[in-house]
Amino acid sequence: SYELTQPPSVSVSPGQTARITCSGDALPKQYAYWYQQKPGQAPVLVIYKDSERPSGIPERFSGSSSGTTVTLTISGVQAEDEADYYCQSADSSGTSRVFGGGTKLTVL
Amino acid sequence: EVQLVESGGGLVQPGGSLRLSCAASGFTFSSYEMNWVRQAPGKGLEWVSYISSSGSTIYYADSVKGRFTISRDNAKNSLYLQMNSLRAEDTAVYYCARDDRITDAFDIWGQGTMVTVSS
Repeated sequence: SYELTQPPSVSVSPGQTARITCSGDALPKQYAYWYQQKPGQAPVLVIYKDSERPSGIPERFSGSSSGTTVTLTISGVQAEDEADYYCQSADSSGTSRVFGGGTKLTVL
Repeated sequence: EVQLVESGGGLVQPGGSLRLSCAASGFTFSSYEMNWVRQAPGKGLEWVSYISSSGSTIYYADSVKGRFTISRDNAKNSLYLQMNSLRAEDTAVYYCARDDRITDAFDIWGQGTMVTVSS
């Protein structure tokens, strides 16, 4: 079955830039989405269609795509950004959605 | 307020059945595609199933195919997940999630309902 690969953890100091990658063979053909999840809460969409930001999401969140890898970038990380981040996409047929394993962002 | 509220979770023995419900409010439920997503304790998110706005198109993850059935009642603004032949590995928080028509993202999530499969 199709898989998306994320690093298990990323650590940054406040004010620095965090980059979280997600790799998958179908990413050149399928859009990627990013969700933020804090403990005990439902996920929240932070990036859609590779690089678009929903209303209400701070400008410090951005997304990019290059080949089989998509990247979530958080510029000027704040303590409140500490959370788990999941990429999500679809397989090449578009019938199965898939999530990456998740990346725990720690703000030092 | 746009809202999704899941219910129906609980403790069930291996091999048993459970039916989850998701009540939608604050939007035209019949116009939206819907999904179930689950999260095992301490683990990541796993997409479970999709249903189109009319209910005519349905997809399942391989891990639940043949055991789970997704359905909806647009007159009642409700989404369902019938879970049969439950296994310990089905233990998870189950979320219903709306598919946004423009972004194709899961834009609205419920708070989740816990399903525990154990003897």
